[in-house]
Amino acid sequence: DQQVKQNSPSLSVQEGRISILNCDYTNSMFDYFLWYKKYPAEGPTFLISISSIKDKNEDGRFTVFLNKSAKHLSLHIVPSQPGDSAVYFCAASAPYSGAGSYQLTFGKGTKLSVIP
Amino acid sequence: DTGVSQDPRHKITKRGQNVTFRCDPISEHNRLYWYRQTLGQGPEFLTYFQNEAQLEKSRLLSDRFSAERPKGSFSTLEIQRTEQGDSAMYLCASSLRVDTEAFFGQGTRLTVV
Repeated sequence: DQQVKQNSPSLSVQEGRISILNCDYTNSMFDYFLWYKKYPAEGPTFLISISSIKDKNEDGRFTVFLNKSAKHLSLHIVPSQPGDSAVYFCAASAPYSGAGSYQLTFGKGTKLSVIP
Repeated sequence: DTGVSQDPRHKITKRGQNVTFRCDPISEHNRLYWYRQTLGQGPEFLTYFQNEAQLEKSRLLSDRFSAERPKGSFSTLEIQRTEQGDSAMYLCASSLRVDTEAFFGQGTRLTVV
């Protein structure tokens, strides 16, 4: 049972436009969410995070939105650049839930291609 | 370089052999994680250490897998009697707290032939 789902395996966007990557989760205990970027043959690189007490977090060109009632989060990249082309992973954990579980649960990723 | 360091980057081994990977976390991070990633999947959690204590283990960590962090600094992941299904990227990550981002190493690519 996949607890974090990224339903779009790939996304193509023109340079300069907005990229929107989506993520859904099923475990209501999740209260901390992160986005990672990954190039081939490298480890994931942290991009941005959000805790469940917020509904938006912004860092430069990257903004993450969290809709707790819908169990949905999205990553917006504006403007998109060719160097943003990579696989993006959504991840979730439950550090505040008291369940004693600190692992990150990842989605399968979305491959973003930014076309010059 | 003060990031998470993993060694080796690549390992090719014959089925049935034992392999050991090393991870050096960011120095001030007392929390360390191991993940495994196969093609087309996101990283899957294997195990978690707080200092030298192994506090969480996934059911993916069969009895052929063992992880240690003897002095609360570097960690090793050993796979005994490797199988072809063990071929994957093994990723190590560390974090300062459980509610802060985890930083990943470059990974060790294991190929079992």
